[in-house]
Order: sequence, then C-alpha cells, then structure tokens
Amino acid sequence: AQTVTQSQPEMSVQEAETVTLSCTYDTSESNYYLFWYKQPPSRQMILVIRQEAYKQQNATENRFSVNFQKAAKSFSLKISDSQLGDTAMYFCAFIPLTGANSKLTFGKGITLSVRP
Amino acid sequence: DAGVIQSPRHEVTEMGQEVTLRCKPISGHNSLFWYRQTMMRGLELLIYFNNNVPIDDSGMPEDRFSAKMPNASFSTLKIQPSEPRDSAVYFCASSPTHYEQYFGPGTRLTVT
Repeated sequence: AQTVTQSQPEMSVQEAETVTLSCTYDTSESNYYLFWYKQPPSRQMILVIRQEAYKQQNATENRFSVNFQKAAKSFSLKISDSQLGDTAMYFCAFIPLTGANSKLTFGKGITLSVRP
Repeated sequence: DAGVIQSPRHEVTEMGQEVTLRCKPISGHNSLFWYRQTMMRGLELLIYFNNNVPIDDSGMPEDRFSAKMPNASFSTLKIQPSEPRDSAVYFCASSPTHYEQYFGPGTRLTVT
C-alpha cells in the first residue's frame, strides 16, 4: 500500500517571499506520478504541478517548482514570490502507473497562509 | 476548455430524502472519478469509471450510494436515503489517462 505524509499542518509566509512545503511518500513501485494540488477557500481542487518518477529533472510551472528526491521518497513544493492568492490548502498526491486499477493517494494537506 | 462541471454547487436536504449529484467531465477524458471530502477522513475515492464502465466501487460507503455513467459526458452520484453523516463536499474528477486527474468545483452537501 502507498502512503503520503505531509507532516506540517500549516505554514505562513510573507508576501513575495519563498516557501517550501514538504511531502514524503512510501511505495514499492518504481513507476509513478506525483502531484501537488491546491485547494483555495473556494474549495476547488486545482492541479498545480506533476512529476514523473522516471524523470530526473524537477518539474517547474512558473513560480512553482518541486524538489524530487526519488531515493529519499521526498517531493517538496517550492513557491517563489508568494502571492496572496497562493493562500490555500496544498495536497501532495501519488499514483502508481499500474494501470486502470491504480488509485490516487492524497496526503492530509497543509494550510498555507500568505501574509500581506 | 470548460473544465469539469458539477451541479448543484450546494445542496441542503433533509434526512431520508434522495440526493442526486451531477457531473460533466472534460470532453475527451475517458476516466471519471467521484470523491468525498470531510474534515475527519480527508479525500476518499468512492468510485471510478473507465470508458463509462464502473471499474472499482469499493469506496462506496454503503448501498445507499449508487453511481451511473450513461454516456461519456455525464455521470450521477445518488444517495437514497440521505443521512446527516453524508454531509461532505463531493468532487467529480476526470482524466485523459487515468493518472492526471482534473477536479470539478465540488458539491457541498448538507443533510439535516
């Protein structure tokens, strides 16, 4: 079974600064995807970034980037130049590439507050 | 692209009533998922479909819950009869590959 752990329940950052959200996972699979989802107060789940386990290069989407350490099973999200609109709950998620029976496993989430 | 569409956005009903939640996936996506989110249990996968066929409904809490996908552009999740413990946010998600899932805005269900 796969598990995803987000040990920090909440974080706070000053606007325009950089913040890193931590995530670790446990799996025996070698091929998988990792995701970060953002859930703002509107509660919409928004896909922020995706990392394929077979790629060594860390994924980047504008101000969002990841630090993927496969051996350590670590997948952190870095938000640069934080904006007020980044205030949200962030979920780390994992899915093995094992076909139609694979399921997305979410962490418990971390609440990020961006201070003006 | 319109994204995943869910209706209604909010539903308040009395215990014992039937509730039907609706979802329109992103066009061209062949996988559809229903999730439930509560404070206590987080996000739970209820059921998912591939090419309109239910693949795994092991997450459906009990027989009061049922889901259908009559065609590629529409799915429903029905609760009959509803109970207060069913109060939650229900999400529909779709995917072109099964792995990368795009969520709808959710339906907040309150059963009194």
